[in-house]
Amino acid sequence: KAGVTQTPRYLIKTRGQQVTLSCSPISGHRSVSWYQQTPGQGLQFLFEYFSETQRNKGNFPGRFSGRQFSNSRSEMNVSTLELGDSALYLCASSSLGQGAGTEKLFFGSGTQLSVL
Amino acid sequence: LAKTTQPISMDSYEGQEVNITCSHNNIATNDYITWYQQFPSQGPRFIIQGYKTKVTNEVASLFIPADRKSSTLSLPRVSLSDTAVYYCLVALKGSQGNLIFGKGTKLSVKP
Repeated sequence: KAGVTQTPRYLIKTRGQQVTLSCSPISGHRSVSWYQQTPGQGLQFLFEYFSETQRNKGNFPGRFSGRQFSNSRSEMNVSTLELGDSALYLCASSSLGQGAGTEKLFFGSGTQLSVL
Repeated sequence: LAKTTQPISMDSYEGQEVNITCSHNNIATNDYITWYQQFPSQGPRFIIQGYKTKVTNEVASLFIPADRKSSTLSLPRVSLSDTAVYYCLVALKGSQGNLIFGKGTKLSVKP
């Protein structure tokens, strides 16, 4: 089976722009979750989707949003980019749909976003 | 608000057993603890998960004492390929935004 695929791998944007990142989960996985990883803050949970519904959300401003499609693929969007949004954005999928913290997550390699 | 604390780094030699502890407060009886391994330029990889006492799989063991104020990842007989960053993740049931990661422990295994 193919793993979790995230596109693009690298992205450079300027302040004020918006960006959309894409995640394709492992085939058959219906739960997708997103994370931000920075050297300063480490790994932080953004949100989780299951069957096209957001069922959990981390402590991030409303500029961060996401959605999930009927084929389980997911996108996350960041509007009005700030310098501090520069980070590695990771997507993970899981098979059971029990909740991202209570089952095995399969992570993609991430999208490295640089905001200039 | 729950918080997790891990050592920033650890050194070991090939063949030794390594124990990495994650301290966490305010976790309930059924809150899950998961450990992930991450190599440079890759996403984290699942190692082990549990919510009570002891769990063992083919690569590691997880120990959770009765007071649940910490958990310990045990890696038996490490090799050079175990050099990586290890993260603990605490999942708090019943609260939004309930996934709390530790800052990671960089394990260096020497020959």
